[in-house]
Amino acid sequence: SQTIHQWPATLVQPVGSPLSLECTVEGTSNPNLYWYRQAAGRGLQLLFYSVGIGQISSEVPQNLSASRPQDRQFILSSKKLLLSDSGFYLCAWSVPPGMMQPQHFGDGTRLSIL
Amino acid sequence: QKEVEQDPGPLSVPEGAIVSLNCTYSNSAFQYFMWYRQYSRKGPELLMYTYSSGNKEDGRFTAQVDKSSKYISLFIRDSQPSDSATYLCAMSAGNQFYFGTGTSLTVIP
Repeated sequence: SQTIHQWPATLVQPVGSPLSLECTVEGTSNPNLYWYRQAAGRGLQLLFYSVGIGQISSEVPQNLSASRPQDRQFILSSKKLLLSDSGFYLCAWSVPPGMMQPQHFGDGTRLSIL
Repeated sequence: QKEVEQDPGPLSVPEGAIVSLNCTYSNSAFQYFMWYRQYSRKGPELLMYTYSSGNKEDGRFTAQVDKSSKYISLFIRDSQPSDSATYLCAMSAGNQFYFGTGTSLTVIP
């Protein structure tokens, strides 16, 4: 069966510090991978998605970047965090379209910027 | 207009009640329809998904899709305190998924 791992679960960082959040998927090949940010009462905001190694699409211009160095690894990064980067970050995976499979989420990283 | 509209609630019901959660959408290209349950400080957990119009049942949960009206529903029968969570509807077209903002549900023992 497929599983998704996301870490860390909680992170407290000072303004201006770098960020690296990691997500890995097991039990499937060539998944689509997604990074979301969830703010209270505002739903899920898609940040990045990837359909393959090195292929990243950005949905929102921001202080963050994403990379996919391996098939089942997705990394969210920042060189200098802003206060507005605080939030709940979720990684998700799905199989490509046509295979009638939904999206599955990790347990998220709660990021607090001080 | 948002792609997906969902009443945020909050919704509070007594244990054993039937709960109805709803979403409307505007994009007729949406093909797959999903419901997720999210407990506090956790990621969304897939409850149900369906491709076509009609009803799909899984235990106490029934998902209903009406593509002609662009309206989807989730019914929870015999609601339990453990059903207290935020429920997110979602729909997809191609590689993209679109989510409602979630409805907060509390089931009172």
